[in-house]
This record gives sequence, C-alpha cells and structure tokens, in this order.
Amino acid sequence: SQTIHQWPATLVQPVGSPLSLECTVEGTSNPNLYWYRQAAGRGLQLLFYSVGIGQISSEVPQNLSASRPQDRQFILSSKKLLLSDSGFYLCAWSRILPGQGHYEQYFGPGTRLTVT
Amino acid sequence: DQQVKQNSPSLSVQEGRISILNCDYTNSMFDYFLWYKKYPAEGPTFLISISSIKDKNEDGRFTVFLNKSAKHLSLHIVPSQPGDSAVYFCAASAGGGSNYKLTFGKGTLLTVNP
Repeated sequence: SQTIHQWPATLVQPVGSPLSLECTVEGTSNPNLYWYRQAAGRGLQLLFYSVGIGQISSEVPQNLSASRPQDRQFILSSKKLLLSDSGFYLCAWSRILPGQGHYEQYFGPGTRLTVT
Repeated sequence: DQQVKQNSPSLSVQEGRISILNCDYTNSMFDYFLWYKKYPAEGPTFLISISSIKDKNEDGRFTVFLNKSAKHLSLHIVPSQPGDSAVYFCAASAGGGSNYKLTFGKGTLLTVNP
C-alpha cells in the first residue's frame, strides 16, 4: 500500500529565516505530487505540483519554491520566510484511475508552520 | 474568483440524523467531484467521488448527489455519528488528460452531537 510522509510535523521559524519541508511517498512510482497550504480559516490552496522529476509548476506567485530531486521526493523551500507564510502545509500524491483520466489525491499528515 | 463554494461554514446535527453538506461550483468544465474529510492537525482523507456522467454515488453511510444543471452537489451522511465531526471539503477537477489539479472549497465544519 502507498504511504506519504511529511516532516517536520511542526515548525516555528523567525521571519527572514530559510525553510525546507520534505515529503516522500512510498509504494508507488512516478506519482504526481502537490504542495498545498491551508491558512487559518481558509480552504486548501494549491501552491505547486509536479508530474515528474525536475518538473515543477507554480500556481501562485510567492516567495516559496519547490523541487523534486527524486521520483518520490518533493521539497518545499523558502530563502526568507514572511509572517504570511504561516499555515498548515500539506503534501499530496495522485495516480491515474484505471480507465479514466481523473485523479484522486491522497494527503500527508501536514506540517504546521508558525513564522514569528 | 472562487470556483467551488461551500456556503455553510458550519453545520450541527444530532447523532443518528442525516447530515447534508452542500457545494456549488461555477466552472462548467468541472466533470469530476470529490469529498474529503479533515480532522484538526491532520491531512484530508478521501471520502467519495462522483463523475459528471452520474447523478448519484453511494458508499456505505455516504452518498453524493450531483445536479449538473444547477452546478450543485451534496454529501449525505446517514446516520450521522459523533466520529463524523470534522471539516468536509468539496473539490472538483476539469477533466482527464493532463489536468491534474483539484480546486477545493473552503470547507464546512460538521459537528455531530451525541
């Protein structure tokens, strides 16, 4: 079965510090990978998605970046955090459903980031 | 522009009764819809989905109804249980092929009272 891991679970960082959040998926190959953010009282906002190694698409302009150095590894980074970067960050993966072109996404446990 | 809308931020239901969670969408290209359940400090878990070629899909206590003409879908939970208390997100995608993205609503907090 497939599992998805995220770490760290919680993080408190000062404004201006760098960020690196990691996500790994087990039990599947060549998954689509996604980074979402859920800000307080808001829905899920798609930040980045990747359909393969080194292929990253950005959904919203921001001071965050993403990388996919390996097939099942997805990293979210920032050089200098802003207060507005606080939120709950979720990684997800998806696969093509047999006979269909639709994608169910499966989420990791999330990382709670507080920027102080 | 919010393409998927969950207009009720919260819903409170008595245990054993029916919970009905609603979702509206504006993008007529959406043809696949999903519901997710989320507990605090956890990632969302997939509940049930429906393709636009259907108007109903059932899985145990959960049923999703789709009204394409009204661009409206709903999730029915019968009977509701205290463990169903969570935030429920509606999501939609605009077709297969290379479109991998889901658009989420803001969620509805369901509270099931014992």
